[in-house]
Amino acid sequence: GQSLEQPSEVTAVEGAIVQINCTYQTSGFYGLSWYQQHDGGAPTFLSYNALDGLEETGRFSSFLSRSDSYGYLLLQELQMKDSASYFCAVRRGNRKLIWGLGTSLAVNP
Amino acid sequence: DVKVTQSSRYLVKRTGEKVFLECVQDMDHENMFWYRQDPGLGLRLIYFSYDVKMKEKGDIPEGYSVSREKKERFSLILESASTNQTSMYLCASSLGSVGNANYGYTFGSGTRLTVV
Repeated sequence: GQSLEQPSEVTAVEGAIVQINCTYQTSGFYGLSWYQQHDGGAPTFLSYNALDGLEETGRFSSFLSRSDSYGYLLLQELQMKDSASYFCAVRRGNRKLIWGLGTSLAVNP
Repeated sequence: DVKVTQSSRYLVKRTGEKVFLECVQDMDHENMFWYRQDPGLGLRLIYFSYDVKMKEKGDIPEGYSVSREKKERFSLILESASTNQTSMYLCASSLGSVGNANYGYTFGSGTRLTVV
């Protein structure tokens, strides 16, 4: 079958660094995406990795290892506003994504 | 600012009613998607469309149909609403992809549908 696994919940404190892991098992792989969703809001696109390595965008970075079928989202200098759900998603072809179930991140003062 | 607009934020319908959820995007995107989101189940794809009048079933199409008569508009239809279709419905759009180039999804704000 096809699946993505990510932790259901992560807790951290303001100013800290947190890593949200995602392992995937899919037939066909073009890239790994990350989305953020605040309570009551719509998912918003954060990052995309097609090749191995680290992509950095401000406080957020995303990593991919295709040989390990593994990626992670790294959030630095955590702020209260980073409390949200984070979804990894695999792009298999031209159009569709396969989604993980999401990781709920709670940032405490 | 690019947008995906869903016609209603909250909707309450009765069992057996035919329900129309509308979605419009202003980005000239080829692909449009309808998802439902339920606690603990993540995002589940109902239908998607990659061109006008073209559609494909997603993972949970039963009880739903879609219409895409114009590129910018993608409608989700619940033929006969049932209580198990109470959910958050999210519309999204994206450009077509070429090779490894990525075009992220842009989501609408969602429609919270309650069927009573």
